Amino acid sequence: DQQVKQNSPSLSVQEGRISILNCDYTNSMFDYFLWYKKYPAEGPTFLISISSIKDKNEDGRFTVFLNKSAKHLSLHIVPSQPGDSAVYFCAVGEDGSARQLTFGSGTQLTVLP
Amino acid sequence: SQTIHQWPATLVQPVGSPLSLECTVEGTSNPNLYWYRQAAGRGLQLLFYSVGIGQISSEVPQNLSASRPQDRQFILSSKKLLLSDSGFYLCAWRRVGGAYGYTFGSGTRLTVV
Repeated sequence: DQQVKQNSPSLSVQEGRISILNCDYTNSMFDYFLWYKKYPAEGPTFLISISSIKDKNEDGRFTVFLNKSAKHLSLHIVPSQPGDSAVYFCAVGEDGSARQLTFGSGTQLTVLP
Repeated sequence: SQTIHQWPATLVQPVGSPLSLECTVEGTSNPNLYWYRQAAGRGLQLLFYSVGIGQISSEVPQNLSASRPQDRQFILSSKKLLLSDSGFYLCAWRRVGGAYGYTFGSGTRLTVV
């Protein structure tokens, strides 16, 4: 039973255009939502997060949108750069749980020069 | 500043051999510690987490075990490796009461042959 789903295993985007990565979750009790970026043979690195009390958080070229009613999370990257090519994981968590984060299966983003 | 060390970076082991992967965190005390595995083409699966010395919670029943002999040391072990144990193993830590996200180690690529 997947609590967090990233239905697109891969996405290709032209440099300079917008990349939109999507994530759906099933548990309305989740309190916070994160995106991680992972290069091959490296650990994931934190990118951006949003709490359940907000619907948008922006950090430079990266914006995360949260639609609680649809249980949907998205990451927008604009403009996309070749260095953004990586696997992107969404992660969700619930306050008070040491278990903390449940990850999606990841989306491989390829930004074409 | 806090750092997390994970070793070895790569490991090739025969089926039936034992395993010991080590993770240490510096610059913090009483962190929550986690072991994740990323199998080929799949997302990040939580294997074990620990909220204190000697306290281990298992998320997935399997051929692996974990131990936390010291506050900032987390060890992943197996007595007899299976082919299905191959994957990319990640250690992560989180400060209790701190920001939501984890910090990951650089990972260990385990290939069981």
